[in-house]
Amino acid sequence: NAGVMQNPRHLVRRRGQEARLRCSPMKGHSHVYWYRQLPEEGLKFMVYLQKENIIDESGMPKERFSAEFPKEGPSILRIQQVVRGDSAAYFCASSPGGSIVEQYFGPGTRLTVT
Amino acid sequence: DQQVKQNSPSLSVQEGRISILNCDYTNSMFDYFLWYKKYPAEGPTFLISISSIKDKNEDGRFTVFLNKSAKHLSLHIVPSQPGDSAVYFCAVSNYGGATNKLIFGTGTLLAVQP
Repeated sequence: NAGVMQNPRHLVRRRGQEARLRCSPMKGHSHVYWYRQLPEEGLKFMVYLQKENIIDESGMPKERFSAEFPKEGPSILRIQQVVRGDSAAYFCASSPGGSIVEQYFGPGTRLTVT
Repeated sequence: DQQVKQNSPSLSVQEGRISILNCDYTNSMFDYFLWYKKYPAEGPTFLISISSIKDKNEDGRFTVFLNKSAKHLSLHIVPSQPGDSAVYFCAVSNYGGATNKLIFGTGTLLAVQP
């Protein structure tokens, strides 16, 4: 009964490189959410996806950030040309959708930009 | 503008006593409320939730109370145990809205002293 899987757990990138974060939802869950936690802050919503569709990207920065959840495979959060301010913990959550509001979180990816 | 506030950054409680964590929200459109627990370097773990049609929900040692008129919810843990030491986040949602995104408070660090 695997939970939400995220990889890598830790990622170090130099300024200007690309970061790719992966998330596999819980079995039976078709809704994926990405959140970011900056140091000393709470979690902030970034994007909500269902298979092959972006439902709500109101929390995504306008530039350099993109997300996808293809028909096959994990959801990917991509950050292009990373800057030091992108250093944070990125959490993925999943839910089965429908009337279920509760979301279940993965362990997170800690991105460090040097 | 913070829509969800946890005004106590930290709380210390003796083992066996009651822990009370508080959360205030600003928007009366929010109608589903959740509490998560988070250990360092891990993802948030869902604890308990309540919809706006109720004012209390209980699950073992955890009880959530909702006061809609005051836009206030609280989490009671009794009896508190050292393993409860963690950061607790409240989160709110607009159930049935276009998106099920969660809006989190900034968290309260609970320390249960043996």
